[in-house]
Amino acid sequence: QVQLQQWGAGLLKPSETLSLTCAVYGGSFSGYYWSWIRQPPGKGLEWIGEINHSGTTNYSPSLKSRVTISVDTPKKQFFLILSSVSAADTAVYYCARYPILTGYPFWGQGTLVTVSS
Amino acid sequence: DIQMTQSPSSLSASVGERVTITCRASQGISSFLAWYQQKAGRVPKLLIYAASTLQSGVPSRFSGSGSGTDFTLTISSLQPEDVATYYCQKYNSAPLTFGGGTKVEIK
Repeated sequence: QVQLQQWGAGLLKPSETLSLTCAVYGGSFSGYYWSWIRQPPGKGLEWIGEINHSGTTNYSPSLKSRVTISVDTPKKQFFLILSSVSAADTAVYYCARYPILTGYPFWGQGTLVTVSS
Repeated sequence: DIQMTQSPSSLSASVGERVTITCRASQGISSFLAWYQQKAGRVPKLLIYAASTLQSGVPSRFSGSGSGTDFTLTISSLQPEDVATYYCQKYNSAPLTFGGGTKVEIK
């Protein structure tokens, strides 16, 4: 039974760097793309980017200039770095697993990140 | 990039009524389409994946259909616990775009 456990700083100041980690417990690490998604308060869901076990990444065009997603395959962890944050980056951030061929999406429990001076 | 257009943005229906939400992709995505239910303050819950496969534990009143560009989520008999916002998402290739959401309320 797969579990996604995520953690990271929950309160940042403007211009600081957001850093989140997602650890995968149970299940395979290959055969999936590992994504980050966010949801600002009262708004819809926004996909941030993804990475696979070999480190191939894809990013949202709107966030590409500030986002880096990386992976530590032996540890079954992947990471989100978002630079130069502002209040607009305040959101619940989710890590998630998406199948490459067959299977179902699976999400972590989310981490609220607040950006405030 | 492929856009996902979800409609309606909100709806109000009576308990027991049949509810249909549609999601249209600007280009074909085969059957790589998921539907989520999000209740206030909660993590989105996967209802349907691969356009029509009911996730384990989801009530059978929920169903999904479609392939290519046009998809539908149907609640066959709306229940009070179904009050939520529903999202579609494509996951065939990046970017994994979401629809704008449909807020479902009880009339």
